[in-house]
Amino acid sequence: GQSLEQPSEVTAVEGAIVQINCTYQTSGFYGLSWYQQHDGGAPTFLSYNGLDGLEETGRFSSFLSRSDSYGYLLLQELQMKDSASYFCAVRGGYSTLTFGKGTMLLVSP
Amino acid sequence: DTAVSQTPKYLVTQMGNDKSIKCEQNLGHDTMYWYKQDSKKFLKIMFSYNNKELIINETVPNRFSPKSPDKAHLNLHINSLELGDSAVYFCASSQDRGGDRGLPNYGYTFGSGTRLTVV
Repeated sequence: GQSLEQPSEVTAVEGAIVQINCTYQTSGFYGLSWYQQHDGGAPTFLSYNGLDGLEETGRFSSFLSRSDSYGYLLLQELQMKDSASYFCAVRGGYSTLTFGKGTMLLVSP
Repeated sequence: DTAVSQTPKYLVTQMGNDKSIKCEQNLGHDTMYWYKQDSKKFLKIMFSYNNKELIINETVPNRFSPKSPDKAHLNLHINSLELGDSAVYFCASSQDRGGDRGLPNYGYTFGSGTRLTVV
């Protein structure tokens, strides 16, 4: 089976940097993904790490260490619109994703 | 030009009824999924289809029956609805990248969700 742990809630102010950590235990691992979901909306894909290291996409970066079964999502220059839930997800066999329980990010002025 | 569209967006129905949710993707993806998101926002895989073939069935009650007439469509039929079926159901699609971790991965594209309320 697979299980993922991430904080339930993180708060930050506009312009700040926030890091959301994710640890996982899996029986088969092909990569770690991150998704953003606003209230009432659909999850949207942010990033994917199949190999160790840092991937950068604009204000968002994601990191993976397979030896530590650990990854994080880094959000820089936070904006109010970044308030949302963020999910880490492990890609297993047949491209199936197992999601963590989500981290609610609250950005205040 | 919606990539993954599912209908209806909202569904309110009584216990014991049968209902269907439709999903279509125009991305040319090989694989489609149904996920259930509960009130605590936990997203759980229900089914996965690859080129119309069932790949994953995650211990979902057999009241739930997916049907994939072609690789662009994956519908979900639910019989004898129960209160506990109330949730948001998301359809999604992806292009299977196989086992190569180093390939770029563009993730799942989700539909906008169907909020099912059983009363």
